[in-house]
Amino acid sequence: ETGVTQTPRHLVMGMTNKKSLKCEQHLGHNAMYWYKQSAKKPLELMFVYSLEERVENNSVPSRFSPECPNSSHLFLHLHTLQPEDSALYLCASSQGYLAGINEQFFGPGTRLTVL
Amino acid sequence: AQSVTQLDSHVSVSEGTPVLLRCNYSSSYSPSLFWYVQHPNKGLQLLLKYTSAATLVKGINGFEAEFKKSETSFHLTKPSAHMSDAAEYFCVVSPLSNFGNEKLTFGTGTRLTIIP
Repeated sequence: ETGVTQTPRHLVMGMTNKKSLKCEQHLGHNAMYWYKQSAKKPLELMFVYSLEERVENNSVPSRFSPECPNSSHLFLHLHTLQPEDSALYLCASSQGYLAGINEQFFGPGTRLTVL
Repeated sequence: AQSVTQLDSHVSVSEGTPVLLRCNYSSSYSPSLFWYVQHPNKGLQLLLKYTSAATLVKGINGFEAEFKKSETSFHLTKPSAHMSDAAEYFCVVSPLSNFGNEKLTFGTGTRLTIIP
């Protein structure tokens, strides 16, 4: 397995469910990111972890809870979501947390549908 | 503050003809600029980036972009379109600094359709 992988690729959940998205990077990077991609809107940065510490939390509702147990894995725990949370959730990683310099490598995303 | 405007939400070109995807930016700092491509059901892939070196940047798959400071533009071009170029393209800006608090600001994307 190479690059950045995400599971599951598709997820349908009810508003009362609890689920988790998983991201794994096989590139030896030390920074990882969660983005939300909604139709007709720019990618929104949700969370950033650098060296397993959260360095960014862009006013994301508490129903989204990230976890970074080590530099290779990143989770996004979901609970009591709303239909407007339906989107493509993208994970990315980079070697170093300097957005202007370090290329970010993206996973294929998890397509989330909240009913 | 920084922002990106992709001037066309959808571009259609015939196979073998040139491609032009337009991007204008604003940034309070010297910018880094990127173009990413997203094929259906795939993640974003970096095409090319500008980080204050040569203003004409060559990327993968025959794409290139020119940084024009006076016009605050970073348009993406390719001399001859291939069917495999059909995808969504994102222009992205970030401050070029080492403070560790930079963010990528993404445009809303341009969907490129190639007509056989």
